[in-house]
Amino acid sequence: QKEVEQDPGPLSVPEGAIVSLNCTYSNSAFQYFMWYRQYSRKGPELLMYTYSSGNKEDGRFTAQVDKSSKYISLFIRDSQPSDSATYLCAMIPTSGTYKYIFGTGTRLKVLA
Amino acid sequence: DGGITQSPKYLFRKEGQNVTLSCEQNLNHDAMYWYRQDPGQGLRLIYYSQIVNDFQKGDIAEGYSVSREKKESFPLTVTSAQKNPTAFYLCASSIGVAGDEQYFGPGTRLTVT
Repeated sequence: QKEVEQDPGPLSVPEGAIVSLNCTYSNSAFQYFMWYRQYSRKGPELLMYTYSSGNKEDGRFTAQVDKSSKYISLFIRDSQPSDSATYLCAMIPTSGTYKYIFGTGTRLKVLA
Repeated sequence: DGGITQSPKYLFRKEGQNVTLSCEQNLNHDAMYWYRQDPGQGLRLIYYSQIVNDFQKGDIAEGYSVSREKKESFPLTVTSAQKNPTAFYLCASSIGVAGDEQYFGPGTRLTVT
């Protein structure tokens, strides 16, 4: 079983829709959680960084962490064609390790 | 503008040749990382360095080597011992405190034939 599971998609939605992207994990020691957006043949861009449980909002993006369920989500409101990309989740424990664990990414297509 | 640069963007090599990928950052970050990205496999850690003159193997270090002589630079050499070197290589950096945000460069696509 992988430490982090992420549905590869592709997920196709119409422009303006609310998008929900999710990752589940098995290591209860994970404390720091990140979401990245990666356009084709480009490096990942950090979108959201959260720690512990709860919600964090930044513009059209909301990151949610549910540690009891070992589940994190990224919501995108009013999705745009420019949001079409692969979204990666990443997480690390508090043990002082420098090893970030990444999901395999979900490909999102927002249709105009 | 602060950021991470990787060069070149595309690199082509013949099998049996060593090749060095460049990574430079001007973010004043202590920690730097090299990842390999293959379709459907996500990011896999090759090497990381927490401080100058120190580095550790990641999950797939075989066939790769690195150096960290300067804080700003963390070059990766793909040696002829790496069995499947064709991949997208990503360099990243972070402040150096465990758990902090990690930022990525634009990547280098290496093709070995």
